[in-house]
Amino acid sequence: GENVEQHPSTLSVQEGDSAVIKCTYSDSASNYFPWYKQELGKGPQLIIDIRSNVGEKKDQRIAVTLNKTAKHFSLHITETQPEDSAVYFCAAPNPSNFGNEKLTFGTGTRLTIIP
Amino acid sequence: EPEVTQTPSHQVTQMGQEVILRCVPISNHLYFYWYRQILGQKVEFLVSFYNNEISEKSEIFDDQFSVERPDGSNFTLKIRSTKLEDSAMYFCASTPTGLLVYGYTFGSGTRLTVV
Repeated sequence: GENVEQHPSTLSVQEGDSAVIKCTYSDSASNYFPWYKQELGKGPQLIIDIRSNVGEKKDQRIAVTLNKTAKHFSLHITETQPEDSAVYFCAAPNPSNFGNEKLTFGTGTRLTIIP
Repeated sequence: EPEVTQTPSHQVTQMGQEVILRCVPISNHLYFYWYRQILGQKVEFLVSFYNNEISEKSEIFDDQFSVERPDGSNFTLKIRSTKLEDSAMYFCASTPTGLLVYGYTFGSGTRLTVV
């Protein structure tokens, strides 16, 4: 099955600076890599995802890069704001014989934006 | 934006009691999932469900767990005889298709506390 590792576990950055969170995965057949943001007391919310046919995807201040050769993908948040403070999870799909993919999540990164 | 709704938001139960966690997936979604998150840990897959039957389940999902879609809108997770280690956040998720084309939509979760 898929194994996903995520670093760092905690990250503090000054407001306005950039934050980068990295994940590695084990299954070279994986082809979809989402990032979820979880605020206190809420469920994970999909913020961006990337598929293996592209190397980078950007949505305003958030970007995700994918290196299939090295089997790692990263979340980049630029011009950070206090509302970016949350726990961020990366994930990768487990191949399934049932046509119903499930996700393996990383261990999460607690991002704190310092005003 | 359509939401996955979970009730209750918090449930406290005595060890050995049965609990039922309820979810209302997005109406045109066909694939349903339960995940759980022990405090401070990563989100873990429990079970996937499609066409009124379980597609796949993890080793966590033992005989004490069951899922059901009793009507056209609800999706429930039952734990027959709760243990202390079942204390966790339980998240329901749904997707339109089994392949992760659109990603998951998660509910806000039910915090289960077993005492």
